[in-house]
Amino acid sequence: DAGITQSPRHKVTETGTPVTLRCHQTENHRYMYWYRQDPGHGLRLIHYSYGVKDTDKGEVSDGYSVSRSKTEDFLLTLESATSSQTSVYFCASGTGVPNQPQHFGDGTRLSIL
Amino acid sequence: GQQLNQSPQSMFIQEGEDVSMNCTSSSIFNTWLWYKQDPGEGPVLLIALYKAGELTSNGRLTAQFGITRKDSFLNISASIPSDVGIYFCAGSMYSGGGADGLTFGKGTHLIIQP
Repeated sequence: DAGITQSPRHKVTETGTPVTLRCHQTENHRYMYWYRQDPGHGLRLIHYSYGVKDTDKGEVSDGYSVSRSKTEDFLLTLESATSSQTSVYFCASGTGVPNQPQHFGDGTRLSIL
Repeated sequence: GQQLNQSPQSMFIQEGEDVSMNCTSSSIFNTWLWYKQDPGEGPVLLIALYKAGELTSNGRLTAQFGITRKDSFLNISASIPSDVGIYFCAGSMYSGGGADGLTFGKGTHLIIQP
């Protein structure tokens, strides 16, 4: 496995509160990603990072921000959580090099009441 | 945005049967990947395809990258109980591991009946 740790694994919070999810990788991978998984939608890309302090938006980026101050850590922040952001969030990392695809963490289950 | 149409949505099969699932896209992809997800875990990579027409095997699994670059299929031979799970196809415009992120199908839920 790629050595990806997500924290927390589960979180329940209220609408309007800020939430930060953390992804930590020990593989020195250049690229890191945040996806959300919802029934009937598969996994959808939220944001990704191609280096320290270098990030870009994915398909479903509205309402989310990210930061990457170190190679090994990628943070996903919901500034003011809404019920529509209840989901399972997966982090992935990769080298971006041919023949070395992304590997995923075990997910964070976030419930917003 | 890009979409991958994965079928079937679910499959109910008997142990020992062969399984086939596929993904199609209206856009060209340069990388096709197949992942399996077990409950409570993240997707795990099964097979990666990087070249149009490529046919790759991993044990009882075989996958092909369509010649048009718009489709891929995954076959599982002689299914066993541990094959139960959700299978996802994923594609990327990049020839590498998907540096700009992956587009996923909605998954095929494989259920094996005793």
